Amino acid sequence: AQKVTQAQTEISVVEKEDVTLDCVYETRDTTYYLFWYKQPPSGELVFLIRRNSFDEQNEISGRYSWNFQKSTSSFNFTITASQVVDSAVYFCALIRGGSNYKLTFGKGTLLTVNP
Amino acid sequence: SQTIHQWPATLVQPVGSPLSLECTVEGTSNPNLYWYRQAAGRGLQLLFYSVGIGQISSEVPQNLSASRPQDRQFILSSKKLLLSDSGFYLCAWSSESGNTIYFGEGSWLTVV
Repeated sequence: AQKVTQAQTEISVVEKEDVTLDCVYETRDTTYYLFWYKQPPSGELVFLIRRNSFDEQNEISGRYSWNFQKSTSSFNFTITASQVVDSAVYFCALIRGGSNYKLTFGKGTLLTVNP
Repeated sequence: SQTIHQWPATLVQPVGSPLSLECTVEGTSNPNLYWYRQAAGRGLQLLFYSVGIGQISSEVPQNLSASRPQDRQFILSSKKLLLSDSGFYLCAWSSESGNTIYFGEGSWLTVV
């Protein structure tokens, strides 16, 4: 069975600070996909990134960056120079390769960016 | 581009009343479709998924049912709502061969 752990329940930062959201996963599959989703107060889950288990390259998209390390089963998400609009709940999730049915979600991290 | 819509956005229903939440996807064919529920405490739970018309798989036994009458339409129903059915319901889709799941805007259901 798969498991995703987001140990940080809530994080509060001041605008322009950098913040890292942690994600640790468990799976016995060799092929899997990892995701981050953002859930703003409106409720919609917004897809941010997908990373497959064979690609450990870190990725940067604007102020967002992701660090995937299979050795520690972690897929951490960093926001650089945070902004108030980054305030949301962030979910890390995992899906088995070849099984496009069930996303296993972490419990989410509530990020509050204060002005 | 693909879009997903679900409605109604907000619903307040009395205990014992029926429920129908509808979801449609545009811009793609043969999508996989999903219903998730997010209860208080933020946890997201897969309720149903469908890989084709009339093909429904249930993840959790409950008071709800799902149907897929058309390729890009997915409906969540209940004949008699319970208080415990309250929550935020999210429809989602993925391509037939894709591994990324995209979510709709969600529907807030309050059973009173």
